[in-house]
This record gives sequence, C-alpha cells and structure tokens, in this order.
Amino acid sequence: DAGVTQSPTHLIKTRGQQVTLRCSPKSGHDTVSWYQQALGQGPQFIFQYYEEEERQRGNFPDRFSGHQFPNYSSELNVNALLLGDSALYLCASSGGTGQNTEAFFGQGTRLTVV
Amino acid sequence: KQEVTQIPAALSVPEGENLVLNCSFTDSAIYNLQWFRQDPGKGLTSLLLIQSSQREQTSGRLNASLDKSSGRSTLYIAASQPGDSATYLCAVRLGYSTLTFGKGTMLLVSP
Repeated sequence: DAGVTQSPTHLIKTRGQQVTLRCSPKSGHDTVSWYQQALGQGPQFIFQYYEEEERQRGNFPDRFSGHQFPNYSSELNVNALLLGDSALYLCASSGGTGQNTEAFFGQGTRLTVV
Repeated sequence: KQEVTQIPAALSVPEGENLVLNCSFTDSAIYNLQWFRQDPGKGLTSLLLIQSSQREQTSGRLNASLDKSSGRSTLYIAASQPGDSATYLCAVRLGYSTLTFGKGTMLLVSP
C-alpha cells in the first residue's frame, strides 16, 4: 500500500498565476481533505471531498477550489496566487465516519509564491 | 468554534528522559483525537488514535491518554531518543468532519 501520495513535492510560482496540486488517497479510502500549513503553525482545513462533492469548507476564499475524481483522487486549485499562499499543502485521506476514523497524510507539496 | 492548544511550544531534553506533551481542546463533543509526528518540511505521520469512548492508547514507547470531560489529552514518551526529535501535533475530530489542530510541540532530544 503506497499510502497517500501527493504531487509535485515542490513548486515555485509567480504571484497572480494559478496552480494545481494532486493527491491520491490511501487504498480503500473515499474521503480526501486538504490542509494548508504555514511555517510554525498547525495545519488549517481548506475543504473536504466525499463522493466527488465538496462536503465541508474551511475559511478560505473562492480562489481555492477542488475536485474529486471517481477513483477518489483529488486536486486542489489555487487561482490568482498571493505571496501569502506560500505554505505546505497537505492532503489527508480517511474512510468511514465512526469514532475509529483515522486520517492519513501525504508528504505534502511545498508551494512558494514569488 | 473548536480550539486546540498545545503546551509546551518547545521542549529540549537529554536522551533517556521520560516526557509528557499536553493538548487541550475547548469542545468536548469530539469523535476522536489523533497525535501526529512531523519532521521538518515533511508530512504528518499518525502516531496514535484515541476514540472518544477510550481513555488511552499505547504504541511501543508512546502512551496517549484522553479525558474528554476536561478537554485534555497527554502524550507520554518513555526513554526518549534523538530520533524522537520532531514536532508533535494533536488534532481533534468532530463527527465526520475535519481535524482541528494545535500548533504543535517542537521536541529536541539531545544525545
């Protein structure tokens, strides 16, 4: 089992550009969540996808959008990049909704906006 | 709104010491709590999951406890090693929804 995989690992973009980050969930997981982690902070929830629909969204602007495919993989898109979007973007997958629901994270994508 | 606080923010200990990391949360209606480890610039590795109906979980030298009514969890690391040096994050889950994280405790174990 490859676990949660994210691509690319590092990315440098110019302010105003658009970026797409990708995530493949752990085998058997149907739910994908995206988090943004600024330096020295805990991860902040962006949104969650389940059955190809956005199920919940955090306090992030509409410039942040996503998609989930039938194979449960997911993309995070960020438009009109700002310097403040520079962060580690983490994808987490999980399955089920009970108390034993455990989240597994990928290695992250380091986005630098210059 | 759920808030998670971790104390201390940083901790430096000599190898071999036993140590305790603390996590507190404001909304006790949680489904579960997870402890994660994060190495610099890397993703999160799940260490322990405690369901809301449980009091503690153990994995090797790690033991995590949960007191839901008081909104507290502790992570106990026995006989610390330099390889334990990392940032430890606590996160709580409300229902099927998202995880809410603390800012983490940065641990340095010196040889």
